[in-house]
Amino acid sequence: DGGITQSPKYLFRKEGQNVTLSCEQNLNHDAMYWYRQDPGQGLRLIYYSQIVNDFQKGDIAEGYSVSREKKESFPLTVTSAQKNPTAFYLCASSRRTGNTGELFFGEGSRLTVL
Amino acid sequence: GNSVTQMEGPVTLSEEAFLTINCTYTATGYPSLFWYVQYPGEGLQLLLKATKADDKGSNKGFEATYRKETTSFHLEKGSVQVSDSAVYFCALSPNAGGTSYGKLTFGQGTILTVHP
Repeated sequence: DGGITQSPKYLFRKEGQNVTLSCEQNLNHDAMYWYRQDPGQGLRLIYYSQIVNDFQKGDIAEGYSVSREKKESFPLTVTSAQKNPTAFYLCASSRRTGNTGELFFGEGSRLTVL
Repeated sequence: GNSVTQMEGPVTLSEEAFLTINCTYTATGYPSLFWYVQYPGEGLQLLLKATKADDKGSNKGFEATYRKETTSFHLEKGSVQVSDSAVYFCALSPNAGGTSYGKLTFGQGTILTVHP
């Protein structure tokens, strides 16, 4: 079945460490996104990529980095510069054209900083 | 800028009760509107959508009508079930059709709990 796979599902990090969250999709979608979810705040866009080797900052990109070397993959690195990294991270994808904005989401990765 | 405001939760109902979750938006132009649902420990799933004024989206007994005059997209269901317990998010995409890139603006989410 086609879908989006995020890993790991749970991740613990010590302060000062970088961590990378994996996102893989087999939907043949051009566009991919990373959202951050905090209780009571909805979802906020971190980074998005419309095509391979190109990506753009979203609303809260500070302290995060991404790469898009393959169409199927869009990993997110949470760096030590991110001051409050504990959150639920969601990866999503969509078609790039003829799209009304519908997103397909992975099951999320929960990051906890100890 | 764009914004989405949902009624505050949590909402607690008994099985077979009527559900309304209010959603209003602020946007320029003609956005597409969505309701997503998130079950415990999972990602979001699209529940329904509407791409132009007066469109009604529907799925699994849920309905929402795109009201441009009141900038609203309220979610309704006539008879909720325990299995409907989840978090519901209203969202908008700034472009209706064309090359929308999924830069959705989400409301804060409404937690729904349905008791037997």
